[in-house]
Amino acid sequence: GENVEQHPSTLSVQEGDSAVIKCTYSDSASNYFPWYKQELGKRPQLIIDIRSNVGEKKDQRIAVTLNKTAKHFSLHITETQPEDSAVYFCAASGRSQAFGNEKLTFGTGTRLTIIP
Amino acid sequence: NAGVTQTPKFRVLKTGQSMTLLCAQDMNHEYMYWYRQDPGMGLRLIHYSVGEGTTAKGEVPDGYNVSRLKKQNFLLGLESAAPSQTSVYFCASRDRGMNTEAFFGQGTRLTVV
Repeated sequence: GENVEQHPSTLSVQEGDSAVIKCTYSDSASNYFPWYKQELGKRPQLIIDIRSNVGEKKDQRIAVTLNKTAKHFSLHITETQPEDSAVYFCAASGRSQAFGNEKLTFGTGTRLTIIP
Repeated sequence: NAGVTQTPKFRVLKTGQSMTLLCAQDMNHEYMYWYRQDPGMGLRLIHYSVGEGTTAKGEVPDGYNVSRLKKQNFLLGLESAAPSQTSVYFCASRDRGMNTEAFFGQGTRLTVV
């Protein structure tokens, strides 16, 4: 099955600096890679996603890059702000033996702290 | 439009007791998932379903059972609770297809003593 590894587990950056979180996946058939943000005590919510036919996607201060050959993808947050402090999860939609590509496997999360 | 709703939000169980967690979604999604979240472990998939009447095992299925008798509901059962099942449980649902957003419920904090 799919295995998603995420690094680092914790990250502290000065307000205004950039933050980068990296993930690797194992199943070459995976073709959808979302990123979720979870604020303290809240549910995870989608912030950006990328499909395998695209190398990079941007949405204001956040961007995701994908390298299918190396099987890794990264989240980039520029001009960080205090409200960016949260836990971030990467995920990969991979093939299940039973049904196909409906399985959604998450990384272990990165706790991002923005230092004012 | 409530999205994904989990019941209950909190529960304390004694070892050996049983309980059922209910997940309900009103978005007509085909796919539903149960995850557990533990510190440093991320979101680990317990069981999932791709449609009414279907279920499949995830990464950590032992000690849990599920049922999807109705498309909008996905039930997670613990037959004999153990302290190792103390966790926060999240349900999620997605529309059909490989590249669709997963929507999460608000979570259930379960403590087994």
